[in-house]
Amino acid sequence: AQSVTQPDIHITVSEGASLELRCNYSYGATPYLFWYVQSPGQGLQLLLKYFSGDTLVQGIKGFEAEFKRSQSSFNLRKPSVHWSDAAEYFCAVGAKLNSGGYQKVTFGIGTKLQVIP
Amino acid sequence: DTGVSQNPRHKITKRGQNVTFRCDPISEHNRLYWYRQTLGQGPEFLTYFQNEAQLEKSRLLSDRFSAERPKGSFSTLEIQRTEQGDSAMYLCASSLGSGSDTQYFGPGTRLTVL
Repeated sequence: AQSVTQPDIHITVSEGASLELRCNYSYGATPYLFWYVQSPGQGLQLLLKYFSGDTLVQGIKGFEAEFKRSQSSFNLRKPSVHWSDAAEYFCAVGAKLNSGGYQKVTFGIGTKLQVIP
Repeated sequence: DTGVSQNPRHKITKRGQNVTFRCDPISEHNRLYWYRQTLGQGPEFLTYFQNEAQLEKSRLLSDRFSAERPKGSFSTLEIQRTEQGDSAMYLCASSLGSGSDTQYFGPGTRLTVL
């Protein structure tokens, strides 16, 4: 069964500083990997995803993530954080189906990002 | 395309009552998923439909929970004899069911059981 670990429950950064949110996954095959963001009272918004190909993926809002198979990691990065980035961030792994696509997504516990001026 | 919608957005009920939530997926998405999210946790998978067929159910889905997607479009999630432990955000997601198959989430229904 797949699993996701987000070791940092809460991170505080200053506006304009760089950001890296850590994510480690466990899955027996090549995973589908996702980062979602959730603002208070809102649903989950997809930031970016990795299915195959280039291991550095670009997402919305200036975010990027790098898939490192050797480290089973998919860390999320942003070079300069804005106050509006304060939210909760979830890393997720999807189980791959033989027929293509994926079926069940397992989420991490989330990392709450606080941005200070 | 107006995204995934869920109704109601909030539901407060007394223990022992039945509740039903509705999810309208993005049109032409043939896969639909239900998740539950409790405070301080990530969403947990509950069940999944391919068109009208329910193909997988989590062990989290006790006998008091039932989900349907009768015509392969909208879905309902019913909880019978609610318990305080059922209090959570119930999220619905849909996906096209082919290719990269990204799941798009609705805003959720927050259930409070008193």
